Amino acid sequence: QQQVKQSPQSLIVQKGGISIINCAYENTAFDYFPWYQQFPGKGPALLIAIRPDVSEKKEGRFTISFNKSAKQFSLHIMDSQPGDSATYFCAAREGSSNTGKLIFGQGTTLQVKP
Amino acid sequence: DAGITQSPRHKVTETGTPVTLRCHQTENHRYMYWYRQDPGHGLRLIHYSYGVKDTDKGEVSDGYSVSRSKTEDFLLTLESATSSQTSVYFCAISAPGRIPDEQYFGPGTRLTVT
Repeated sequence: QQQVKQSPQSLIVQKGGISIINCAYENTAFDYFPWYQQFPGKGPALLIAIRPDVSEKKEGRFTISFNKSAKQFSLHIMDSQPGDSATYFCAAREGSSNTGKLIFGQGTTLQVKP
Repeated sequence: DAGITQSPRHKVTETGTPVTLRCHQTENHRYMYWYRQDPGHGLRLIHYSYGVKDTDKGEVSDGYSVSRSKTEDFLLTLESATSSQTSVYFCAISAPGRIPDEQYFGPGTRLTVT
C-alpha cells in the first residue's frame, strides 16, 4: 500500500504564481518529512524538511505547511520561476526505526511557464 | 552529489544475465541505500546498509541482492535480470547522526533489460 500519497501528479503554474503540492500519510510513527527536488537526468536533492513539532517551515521561497491532526503536509513555492520546473517528491521517515528509511510519494512534475 | 558516484551510468543488458551496479562514497557515512525510480511510483527502497557487512531488505527487494565489504562501496546485484527491473537506480547516503536524517543521492544508473 502507498503509505505516502502525493498530489497532483503534474502541475502547470505561471511565472510568479504559487505552486502547491500536497502529501498525506497514515503512519503516525513518521517523525521527519523531507521534500526533494529532481531535475531531469539528476538525482533527487534535499530541498526542505520539517518535523511534526512545528506547523510551518520556510526557507526562501519554499515553505512546508504541516497539519499533524490531518496527517497532511504540503510544499508551497512562492513566486514560482521557470528554473523551479522539476519533479518534486515528498517523503516520510518512521522514527521508531533507527535505519533512516524513507517512504516517498509518487512525485509531482512541476512546469512553470514564463 | 555529496561525494557519491555510481557506475555504470547507463547499461543495457539482456534478460537472464547478471548485473552489478556500484555505489561509491567518499563521505565515510555509515548508512547507504539503493532505490529504484519508476513513473508513478516515486522512489522505492530496495536494500539498505547500516555498516560493513550489515544489510537489510527494503520494500522491493525480490530479485536483488547487495553487498558491502567496505564502508565506501555498496553493490547492488540483479542475479538474473528481468524486463520488470528496467528502471533508474539511485544510491543514497545518510548524514551521520543517532538516527540517520538527511539523505543525499547519487546521479543514478539507467538500466534497460531487453
